[in-house]
Amino acid sequence: SQELEQSPQSLIVQEGKNLTINCTSSKTLYGLYWYKQKYGEGLIFLMMLQKGGEEKSHEKITAKLDEKKQQSSLHITASQPSHAGIYLCGASTTSGSARQLTFGSGTQLTVLP
Amino acid sequence: DTEVTQTPKHLVMGMTNKKSLKCEQHMGHRAMYWYKQKAKKPPELMFVYSYEKLSINESVPSRFSPECPNSSLLNLHLHALQPEDSALYLCASSQGQGGTQYFGPGTRLLVL
Repeated sequence: SQELEQSPQSLIVQEGKNLTINCTSSKTLYGLYWYKQKYGEGLIFLMMLQKGGEEKSHEKITAKLDEKKQQSSLHITASQPSHAGIYLCGASTTSGSARQLTFGSGTQLTVLP
Repeated sequence: DTEVTQTPKHLVMGMTNKKSLKCEQHMGHRAMYWYKQKAKKPPELMFVYSYEKLSINESVPSRFSPECPNSSLLNLHLHALQPEDSALYLCASSQGQGGTQYFGPGTRLLVL
């Protein structure tokens, strides 16, 4: 089965600082998703990466998938308190003939004003 | 519009009660999902419906019974739950199975 390891587990940064969250897979990734979750709430879709070397940006968040398609990183530039939350990476996997999403354990981000 | 709605937002029930969670989307998505999330853990898949047919049941106890009355609605019927079933229950939908999933805000369930 596909396993996703996220690092770090938690991160505390000062507002304005840059940060990076990593997601490493035990198998080749065929679809890697990044979500953000506020505590006790639903997941908000951020970005999806499929091709080796792919990079996508939205506002101050950039996600990359390495060439070997086994590692992804999420980079936040000039962090703000609104970036605080839990960041989850998810991999598209196949169970029998069905496709499903398997998540990493999450990274808890705190941004200090 | 990428909105998935869930009701109720909070639910407290006893172990002998029967209750239902409801999920709705109007994006024309044909795949809908139920996840269970315990505190400080990632969501765990429970059920997947594709074109209103159950396609994945991740060995969930029979006290959880999913239902998909039409392509926009997904219910989760609860009966004789245990305190360890207390969790955040998340619904999601996608264009097709394997597509990007959009999540609802969740129902926080407490079983006493």
